[in-house]
Amino acid sequence: GAVVSQHPSWVICKSGTSVKIECRSLDFQATTMFWYRQFPKQSLMLMATSNEGSKATYEQGVEKDKFLINHASLTLSTLTVTSAHPEDSSFYICSARGKIDYEQYFGPGTRLTVT
Amino acid sequence: GQNIDQPTEMTATEGAIVQINCTYQTSGFNGLFWYQQHAGEAPTFLSYNVLDGLEEKGRFSSFLSRSKGYSYLLLKELQMKDSASYLCAAVSNDYKLSFGAGTTVTVRA
Repeated sequence: GAVVSQHPSWVICKSGTSVKIECRSLDFQATTMFWYRQFPKQSLMLMATSNEGSKATYEQGVEKDKFLINHASLTLSTLTVTSAHPEDSSFYICSARGKIDYEQYFGPGTRLTVT
Repeated sequence: GQNIDQPTEMTATEGAIVQINCTYQTSGFNGLFWYQQHAGEAPTFLSYNVLDGLEEKGRFSSFLSRSKGYSYLLLKELQMKDSASYLCAAVSNDYKLSFGAGTTVTVRA
């Protein structure tokens, strides 16, 4: 149980375009989902917290108008990188938290390359 | 704020034991996670400690001292496949995880 999927697993896009990444909890309802970004040889940095049916909470320094998060259901959250730039190239990982415990279940990640 | 410290790199030989230390300073603490991450992959759960003491799970054990803000992950009978990055993460009252920079463990034959 507690499987989280992400789609796509990798994507290459041109500078200035937008990219949407989906995060789904497959066998449980996720009240909260988290979006992380990881640059090479660095740790995971929390970008935002997404609660079902409400606006996402962004960490300091993360532009909410650039990284649009939607959590329309208990099993799906999406991250849209708008007007992507090469410096947005990174490994984006989502995680989902169930209703009971503190554990977060991580998706497999999405590697974004902006050319 | 959160401050999580762990060593950058460790090297050990196959069959040996390695201990990865982690110290943390957090505003609101609800436990500590250890994750394993192979290059290009997402983190996978290893352990969760919320009470003081040692939790043993097969070849991996994790220890927590809340009063000292200290945890360690103990890897026994090292195998080549254990070469990976090990992430220490503290969870706060609002369920957010704050990750350390990760410790890259290299296992040599």
